[in-house]
Amino acid sequence: SQTIHQWPATLVQPVGSPLSLECTVEGTSNPNLYWYRQAAGRGLQLLFYSVGIGQISSEVPQNLSASRPQDRQFILSSKKLLLSDSGFYLCAGAGSGNTEAFFGQGTRLTVV
Amino acid sequence: GEDVEQSLFLSVREGDSSVINCTYTDSSSTYLYWYKQEPGAGLQLLTYIFSNMDMKQDQRLTVLLNKKDKHLSLRIADTQTGDSAIYFCADSGGYSSASKIIFGSGTRLSIRP
Repeated sequence: SQTIHQWPATLVQPVGSPLSLECTVEGTSNPNLYWYRQAAGRGLQLLFYSVGIGQISSEVPQNLSASRPQDRQFILSSKKLLLSDSGFYLCAGAGSGNTEAFFGQGTRLTVV
Repeated sequence: GEDVEQSLFLSVREGDSSVINCTYTDSSSTYLYWYKQEPGAGLQLLTYIFSNMDMKQDQRLTVLLNKKDKHLSLRIADTQTGDSAIYFCADSGGYSSASKIIFGSGTRLSIRP
């Protein structure tokens, strides 16, 4: 079965510090991968998606970037965090044709 | 661009049916999904429907799709306190490997005794 591993579960970082959130996928090859952010009390905003190694599409301009160095690895990064980067970040993956999107457990990021 | 819309809140009495509605704009949507999010947790896929279907039933869950009106609904029969959560509607744009999965803002379902 398909599984998304996402870590860490919680993170508190000071403003201006760097960020690296990692997501790995098991149980499928060549998945479409996604990073979403959920701000407190709000819906899911698509940040980045990737259809293959090195292929990243950005949905919104922001302080964040994403990379896909391996087929099953998706990384969300920032060089300098802002207070507004606080939120719940979810990694998701879907097989060919997006028949089902499966999610990691999320990372709650608090920027202080 | 693509958009998915849902009402933000729904309150139902325990034992009644809940109906959560969703509209979407992408006419090339292939799969439409319902996810459940409990407090502090990730998203759990409840069910999905292929765009050439108009209904899918799975135990207490019934999904209805009106493709002409681009309207999707999730009916939960005999709603229980454990059904309290945020329910997200999502759509996937098609067979292309470049398709995105777009989510609605989520409907918070609360159950009253």
